[in-house]
Amino acid sequence: QVQLVESGGGLVKPGGSLRLSCAASGFTFSDYYMTWIRQAPGKGLEWVSHTSGSSSYTTYADSVKGRFTISRDNAKNSLYLHMNSLRAEDTAVYYCASEGHNWNYQHYWGQGTLVTVSS
Amino acid sequence: DTQMTQSPSSLSASVGDRVTITCRASQSISTYLNWYQQKAGKAPKVLIYGASSLQSGVPSRFSGSGSGTEFTLTISGLQPEDFATYYCQQSYNTPRTFGPGTKVEIK
Repeated sequence: QVQLVESGGGLVKPGGSLRLSCAASGFTFSDYYMTWIRQAPGKGLEWVSHTSGSSSYTTYADSVKGRFTISRDNAKNSLYLHMNSLRAEDTAVYYCASEGHNWNYQHYWGQGTLVTVSS
Repeated sequence: DTQMTQSPSSLSASVGDRVTITCRASQSISTYLNWYQQKAGKAPKVLIYGASSLQSGVPSRFSGSGSGTEFTLTISGLQPEDFATYYCQQSYNTPRTFGPGTKVEIK
């Protein structure tokens, strides 16, 4: 069955950096766009970034552009989010999710990893 | 960016009620509209994609309709396990924006 397992979250000081990972299994990882979505405590969902199967196409939300970098390693079935210049407002649960070929919806989700940015 | 709004932001309903949630897009998104259900402490799960297609395994009491800028999610016969927060999302362009959510609570 499909599994997406995020890791790498934790407590980081403002201005710091963190790298999130998402390990995928149960599907042909390289065939799918992969997405990071976040949810601040008690708030709604915010789409952060996605990357195509070959990493040729990558898009970011304005709120993270220039600070976050999405990448993937298809040989390791893994997705990453490199986060720099972290701010308090980046505090959230970060989910990785796969994007369906038709209609572009998020069909599989991980359980999320919590990032807390605080001094 | 395409802005998404939802109404109501919350509602109280009883088991067996018919519930309708509305989602509006700031520009036409054809039928690239998806609905997700999220329960407390859990990841969201997709219910409806392409405005009206039911995801495999989702009960048939959930249905979606609409095109362009106005969409609805209907739950016909609310069940105890349906109390949750519902989000719409447009997937017509990037960033793939979400609505603010509608919390469905027990009356």
